[in-house]
Amino acid sequence: LAKTTQPISMDSYEGQEVNITCSHNNIATNDYITWYQQFPSQGPRFIIQGYKTKVTNEVASLFIPADRKSSTLSLPRVSLSDTAVYYCLVGDSNTGNQFYFGTGTSLTVIP
Amino acid sequence: EPEVTQTPSHQVTQMGQEVILRCVPISNHLYFYWYRQILGQKVEFLVSFYNNEISEKSEIFDDQFSVERPDGSNFTLKIRSTKLEDSAMYFCASRDLAGGGYEQYFGPGTRLTVT
Repeated sequence: LAKTTQPISMDSYEGQEVNITCSHNNIATNDYITWYQQFPSQGPRFIIQGYKTKVTNEVASLFIPADRKSSTLSLPRVSLSDTAVYYCLVGDSNTGNQFYFGTGTSLTVIP
Repeated sequence: EPEVTQTPSHQVTQMGQEVILRCVPISNHLYFYWYRQILGQKVEFLVSFYNNEISEKSEIFDDQFSVERPDGSNFTLKIRSTKLEDSAMYFCASRDLAGGGYEQYFGPGTRLTVT
């Protein structure tokens, strides 16, 4: 499992775009990059997953540079309800069926 | 949209008692997981289950813990003799077979309070 490093916390104003970067220098060839969101007292919620380049869905975009040693979760025009903890996980579930969450990034959206 | 359900939402028990936490994973999923989260701390992996047997487990998942899929739909976590430090939110998750990523779907959790 690749070790990941994220900022502990971030603040943003409503309506702004937020970018959260995750470093994973020892990512392996078959590893995927997966992001989760967690609200207080709720289970983590899958947001987006990618392997390379850019992935976009209705919630977020995930940018992965060519060397794949980092990734950036981009949340467009955040609202107060986006205040949550965001986790980056890196690994290949085909070779390991245990998933470890780090401390994540606590995002606070300010009115 | 299919979802993972868990019961009960809150369980209070006395130290030394046995508890069973229940989960109904998404019906076509094949991998099942239990996690716990102590208040204010990170989500901790406990165990994964596939093809009716434990796939992997963490150091936390000692002999006091067991999992079972008794009837093809429910997935349970049993703690034989609860300790105060077992107080936490317990989350069940499931995943289908496709791909090599970590796309899991989590339930709402059971808050376990050991007194």
